[in-house]
Amino acid sequence: NAGVTQTPKFRILKIGQSMTLQCTQDMNHNYMYWYRQDPGMGLKLIYYSVGAGITDKGEVPNGYNVSRSTTEDFPLRLELAAPSQTSVYFCASSSTSTGTTDTQYFGPGTRLTVL
Amino acid sequence: AQTVTQSQPEMSVQEAETVTLSCTYDTSESDYYLFWYKQPPSRQMILVIRQEAYKQQNATENRFSVNFQKAAKSFSLKISDSQLGDAAMYFCAYRSAPWGGATNKLIFGTGTLLAVQP
Repeated sequence: NAGVTQTPKFRILKIGQSMTLQCTQDMNHNYMYWYRQDPGMGLKLIYYSVGAGITDKGEVPNGYNVSRSTTEDFPLRLELAAPSQTSVYFCASSSTSTGTTDTQYFGPGTRLTVL
Repeated sequence: AQTVTQSQPEMSVQEAETVTLSCTYDTSESDYYLFWYKQPPSRQMILVIRQEAYKQQNATENRFSVNFQKAAKSFSLKISDSQLGDAAMYFCAYRSAPWGGATNKLIFGTGTLLAVQP
């Protein structure tokens, strides 16, 4: 089990560029999440998904889009990157199946800098 | 809205000693979960311990234990016999119950940076 994997680990973007952060989990979890962590702060929820084909906004969704075509993958799209999107991005997953603990498992993060 | 407050930006402990990290939260809900996550320099978020609000017994995981005071809305983490590998940022987090949608999101505090001195 690899758990939750994210690519890339680091990325530098210019203002106005676009990119997709990839997230994959191999635990068959139905819930997946995207958080961002700004310097010196805790994580804030950007988007989440309760299953394939179902996504919804979190606290800070502006400037981002997501899709969930499969159980395993939950990519985060940045359109027209802005310096305010400089942050570390974490993907997480959890399961709501009977007998599980609903604990969220996190990927290693992607450090994004927008210049 | 729920909030989580960690009032200690930095803490330091000697190796083999005990340290307690503080966390308070604000909520009007009666059923919820509380977590402590560890974030070492690798940035990986690692679950340390969790507590269900309906359980009166404090959770323990090896050298890690919590002091959960529901009435006071306090959830402190005690690390016993501190080791060099415990050095990390520690985040307290809150999650509403029951299941479903945004109520399943974690609300994080701002973190406490723990240094372990040899």
